[in-house]
Amino acid sequence: DGGITQSPKYLFRKEGQNVTLSCEQNLNHDAMYWYRQDPGQGLRLIYYSQIVNDFQKGDIAEGYSVSREKKESFPLTVTSAQKNPTAFYLCASRGGVADTQYFGPGTRLTVL
Amino acid sequence: AQSVTQLDSQVPVFEEAPVELRCNYSSSVSVYLFWYVQYPNQGLQLLLKYLSGSTLVKGINGFEAEFNKSQTSFHLRKPSVHISDTAEYFCAVSDRGSSNTGKLIFGQGTTLQVKP
Repeated sequence: DGGITQSPKYLFRKEGQNVTLSCEQNLNHDAMYWYRQDPGQGLRLIYYSQIVNDFQKGDIAEGYSVSREKKESFPLTVTSAQKNPTAFYLCASRGGVADTQYFGPGTRLTVL
Repeated sequence: AQSVTQLDSQVPVFEEAPVELRCNYSSSVSVYLFWYVQYPNQGLQLLLKYLSGSTLVKGINGFEAEFNKSQTSFHLRKPSVHISDTAEYFCAVSDRGSSNTGKLIFGQGTTLQVKP
């Protein structure tokens, strides 16, 4: 089946640790996105990539890093510099008519 | 800059009643418009989208939305809701211009609570 996968579904981190969230797509889409979701705040864009080996900061990039070495993969690292990382993280890829974004199932990160 | 306002944070409604979730947007350029639904602890699923042409757009699960350019609105409607429609709904816009990065601007979300 074509789609977007994110792993793990739940992730627990101790303060001061870096963690990496995985996002893979087999839709052959060029563009991929990472969003953060907090209760009552909608979705906010962290980073996006329109093509392999290139990416841009979104609205809340501080404390996060990404890489785009392969078309299918766009991992997000939450660094120890992110002051409040507990949130639900959503990955998306874009393609098709009107460049529609399609979302993965999300990763819930909790800092202990 | 673009912005999206969902006018209601929560909408309680009884099963089989009609519902309207309101969305207004602000943009200096032409936009694409989207409605997504999110069930608890899941990703977002596309309900429908407006690209061009007919202002009435039909989507999945019996939902439809009407684009009103003069009022810059894109309200979502369903004539008869089911318990299974209980979820959070997001309105979003993206720039359809030549420099389009595909970035989506989301509203804050509306929680639809369908009661038996």
